Amino acid sequence: DAGVIQSPRHEVTEMGQEVTLRCKPISGHDYLFWYRQTMMRGLELLIYFNNNVPIDDSGMPEDRFSAKMPNASFSTLKIQPSEPRDSAVYFCASRGDSYEQYFGPGTRLTVT
Amino acid sequence: GEDVEQSLFLSVREGDSSVINCTYTDSSSTYLYWYKQEPGAGLQLLTYIFSNMDMKQDQRLTVLLNKKDKHLSLRIADTQTGDSAIYFCAERGWNNDMRFGAGTRLTVKP
Repeated sequence: DAGVIQSPRHEVTEMGQEVTLRCKPISGHDYLFWYRQTMMRGLELLIYFNNNVPIDDSGMPEDRFSAKMPNASFSTLKIQPSEPRDSAVYFCASRGDSYEQYFGPGTRLTVT
Repeated sequence: GEDVEQSLFLSVREGDSSVINCTYTDSSSTYLYWYKQEPGAGLQLLTYIFSNMDMKQDQRLTVLLNKKDKHLSLRIADTQTGDSAIYFCAERGWNNDMRFGAGTRLTVKP
């Protein structure tokens, strides 16, 4: 398996633009997680899905953030409109029966 | 709420031992984990300990668990510059949810 795949790896955008981050979990994993990592706050859980259903979105910072999982092999995290303080590395992770979470390589987002 | 807490930064000299500490609040945690994040990469599982164990050793790594105090530590002996990374503590709770700490950035100075 190729592991958790995220795209793009780097995204630079201007304030106010819409940003869409994509994730393909490991096949067969029924949990999918979105995290955000910054130097000041460390790793933060934004939202997670179980069997494509959002279970806990209490970590989503505000209404500008939304996440979807239309099927078992794809999820998106959207920020609209983006702001400079959204600059961070966004990680997707998935988990199956073994309970080990596998992380993707991350998307480094820079909002100018 | 149920939190996993760890300090954000640690700096040591090459050759010294590093000790990264973590506290958690869920007394029903079954497994506790240490993940490592190399620069520019995602998190990867480093080691884990079952909650009925006190200690686990793997080469230069020693994991200590004090279940009474809900305290987990990772000791790296003879720390090398290649050990510079961010180390994350995580716990698996009673409902099998995983909770991660914010990560400790270990800097090893030559």
